[in-house]
Amino acid sequence: DVKVTQSSRYLVKRTGEKVFLECVQDMDHENMFWYRQDPGLGLRLIYFSYDVKMKEKGDIPEGYSVSREKKERFSLILESASTNQTSMYLCASSLYGGPLSYNEQFFGPGTRLTVL
Amino acid sequence: AQRVTQPEKLLSVFKGAPVELKCNYSYSGSPELFWYVQYSRQRLQLLLRHISRESIKGFTADLNKGETSFHLKKPFAQEEDSAMYYCALLTGGGNKLTFGTGTQLKVEL
Repeated sequence: DVKVTQSSRYLVKRTGEKVFLECVQDMDHENMFWYRQDPGLGLRLIYFSYDVKMKEKGDIPEGYSVSREKKERFSLILESASTNQTSMYLCASSLYGGPLSYNEQFFGPGTRLTVL
Repeated sequence: AQRVTQPEKLLSVFKGAPVELKCNYSYSGSPELFWYVQYSRQRLQLLLRHISRESIKGFTADLNKGETSFHLKKPFAQEEDSAMYYCALLTGGGNKLTFGTGTQLKVEL
């Protein structure tokens, strides 16, 4: 059973603070993802990593950075939190696949971040 | 560019009624599509994928390339089907998903 865990379920931060969201998976997956989930906007990909120290921008990377120093851990960093980053953040992982693969993404429980 | 469209934000049906959640996609390659579901206070999880041609919890979805659609259907809605449903398209060389905006299904008694 794949387990994807996120460091916090709820987080409250102040504008301008540096925020770290941590995600850990225990199934040796190559791919890891950070999404934000907002009502009416669905899931939007922030960043994606397919290997240690490798990262790729998603659809909305502005204001975020990521770190992948170990295969099982993928961190999302908000360098200077702003109120428009208040959202639900979801982490996911999957196996690395080729063009014809259909790899399932396994999701963490989410972190609800509020920036005041 | 790839895009997934779910036109309904909210779909409300009565228990026992048929359900159809709409999904349309735009993609230049050969599409591989999925439905993910999120029940209240649970994590997002895969419901079904078109390539498997399976029925999960009574739900089916057929890929129609002519209409670029992948609608999710169930003949008789159950109360436990109430959830948020996302349609997703596989992209990025088979490694990324592009999600739709989601449809909240509410099954009323």
